[in-house]
Amino acid sequence: SQKIEQNSEALNIQEGKTATLTCNYTNYSPAYLQWYRQDPGRGPVFLLLIRENEKEKRKERLKVTFDTTLKQSLFHITASQPADSATYLCALDAGNNRKLIWGLGTSLAVNP
Amino acid sequence: GAVVSQHPSWVICKSGTSVKIECRSLDFQATTMFWYRQFPKQSLMLMATSNEGSKATYEQGVEKDKFLINHASLTLSTLTVTSAHPEDSSFYICSVPPGPNEQFFGPGTRLTVL
Repeated sequence: SQKIEQNSEALNIQEGKTATLTCNYTNYSPAYLQWYRQDPGRGPVFLLLIRENEKEKRKERLKVTFDTTLKQSLFHITASQPADSATYLCALDAGNNRKLIWGLGTSLAVNP
Repeated sequence: GAVVSQHPSWVICKSGTSVKIECRSLDFQATTMFWYRQFPKQSLMLMATSNEGSKATYEQGVEKDKFLINHASLTLSTLTVTSAHPEDSSFYICSVPPGPNEQFFGPGTRLTVL
């Protein structure tokens, strides 16, 4: 079955630096991969979707890459701000009926 | 994206009672909604797919008689946790998929069963 691995350790970076989060999957390559942000006690918020035929996607300070050979997606936040502190979740399509498989998430703390 | 609300945002109940959680799609008519559960430090776990006008589809290991889902209209799905026990304490979140890919989530409901 498909498994998703995200950095389990929290990532602490200085404001202004680029944060890079990793999402690895173990089995079949999904048709698309998504990144969400989740704040404590809140539901996830959709950020970006990248399809299997896309290598890179950008949205403002966010950039996502998708390497189907490495079975990996990288999520970058450039010029990070304390307000970017949250948990970031990676999700893959499960192959049927719009269901998603979710990673545990990586906690990011941006220090002023 | 779709705007999704949930009610209540938190609830505390006694063991053995039933709790109803509402999920509303405020600006999108949703034929499908998803119900998730999230324990602390755990990933989102899909419980069931709520289908408007028909029975919900439950994931393996989720008791359909314990977690009753009703999707009576295109804007409302309800999840009722029947005979709740402390182990049912969790964060329950619904989502609406306006298209084939991304999902838009409600703010979640924190359930605590004493």
